Amino acid sequence: EVQLAESGGGLVKPGGSLRLSCVTSGFLFSSHTMNWVRQAPGKGLEWVSSISNRGDYIYYADSVKGRFTISRDNAKNSLYLQMNSLRAEDTAMYYCARDWASNPFSNWGQGTLVTVSS
Amino acid sequence: DVVMTQSPLSLPVTLGQPASISCRSSQSLVHNDGNTYLNWFQQRPGQSPRRLIYKVSNRDSGVPDRFSGSGSGTDFTLKISRVEAVDVGVYYCMQSTHWPPYTFGQGTKLEIK
Repeated sequence: EVQLAESGGGLVKPGGSLRLSCVTSGFLFSSHTMNWVRQAPGKGLEWVSSISNRGDYIYYADSVKGRFTISRDNAKNSLYLQMNSLRAEDTAMYYCARDWASNPFSNWGQGTLVTVSS
Repeated sequence: DVVMTQSPLSLPVTLGQPASISCRSSQSLVHNDGNTYLNWFQQRPGQSPRRLIYKVSNRDSGVPDRFSGSGSGTDFTLKISRVEAVDVGVYYCMQSTHWPPYTFGQGTKLEIK
C-alpha cells in the first residue's frame, strides 16, 4: 500500500524557517516525481513545488521561489521542503503527493499544518 | 499561466440524483503529445484530496463507476450519475498540460439537499 506521511509543521514567526518531511513507503520512491501542494485554511489547492525522481529537475510556484527549497533522499524514501523567510500567507496545510506514469498527484499524504504568526 | 474556472461553486444535490460540474481552461489543454491532461480531485470534509480522474476520462483505481469525466480542448465535465452521501465534499479540476505551474480550479462544494 502506498503511504506518504508528512511531518515538521508547526507555529513559526514571520521571517522564520521550517523544514517539512514526507516519509514514504509501499512503492519505489526513486522512480517517481514528487510534489508539495498546499491549502490555506478554508481555501483551495495550490501547487508549491515538484522534483523529478533523481532530483535533477526542480520547479517552484512563483509565490515561493527563492524562499523554499525542495529536496529528496532516495536512500531514505523521503521528500523535504525547506521553507525560509516565511510569511503569514504561507499559513496552510502542506501535502506531499506522488506522480504516477506522468500523471500528477496520484497519491497524497495526510498533510502537516504550518502556521505563520507572531 | 492557465486559469481554470469551475461552475457552479456550490452544488446542492438530492440523494440518488445526478450531478455535473463544469471546468473551463483559459487555453486548450491538448498537449504536444496529443494527450489532454485534465484531472479531477475529490476532497471530503477533513480529508486529504484524492484523485478521481486523470487525462479527462480515466478513473483512478477504486473510484466508483458512477463518476465519469468528459470534455475536450477547453471545456470539461465531471458527472456523478447518482449522488451518494459519501460524495459530499469539494471537487477540483486541475490542468497538467501547461506546467509549471499546475493550476487548479476554485473548487465546487457538493452538498446534499
